Amino acid sequence: DVKVTQSSRYLVKRTGEKVFLECVQDMDHENMFWYRQDPGLGLRLIYFSYDVKMKEKGDIPEGYSVSREKKERFSLILESASTNQTSMYLCASSPPLAGGNTDTQYFGPGTRLTVL
Amino acid sequence: DQQVKQNSPSLSVQEGRISILNCDYTNSMFDYFLWYKKYPAEGPTFLISISSIKDKNEDGRFTVFLNKSAKHLSLHIVPSQPGDSAVYFCAANTGGFKTIFGAGTRLFVKA
Repeated sequence: DVKVTQSSRYLVKRTGEKVFLECVQDMDHENMFWYRQDPGLGLRLIYFSYDVKMKEKGDIPEGYSVSREKKERFSLILESASTNQTSMYLCASSPPLAGGNTDTQYFGPGTRLTVL
Repeated sequence: DQQVKQNSPSLSVQEGRISILNCDYTNSMFDYFLWYKKYPAEGPTFLISISSIKDKNEDGRFTVFLNKSAKHLSLHIVPSQPGDSAVYFCAANTGGFKTIFGAGTRLFVKA
């Protein structure tokens, strides 16, 4: 059974703190993604990675960075947390894109981050 | 500007009836469309997809219809069951890594 796990379900941090969100997948997927989900806005892509040490900006990368040192692990880093980064963070993984596109992503359960 | 729009935040349907969830998009370059389902405290799970070269795809109780000229797709659930109560996200992709998601529609199926 495929699985994507995230290190915390709930996290409370203070403004200015450095925050690490960890994601691990056991499906040997090449691609990994970080989204944030906010009411009325759906899921918005922060960063993605298509290989170890490779990363690409998504639609809302400001204030975030990522790290992918191992294939199975993709970390999201908030360098200096701010209150507007309070959100639900979702990690996902997918196999390599094929011709015809089978972009089915497998999501973790999410981390609800509150920045005070 | 949202490229994928789900204009109904919520929908309530009686068990056994049809649920129709709608989605509009603006980018004519999208060539693949997906629906994901999300229960509380869980991540979204893939439900059904359709390529832009088709106008219908069916999987059991779930059917997705695509109207390219209207830039509109819909998800039909027949018959609806209480276990279908969840948030449904419409998503679209141009064949690359970026998938654009709508805001979601919360479906309530009443027993």
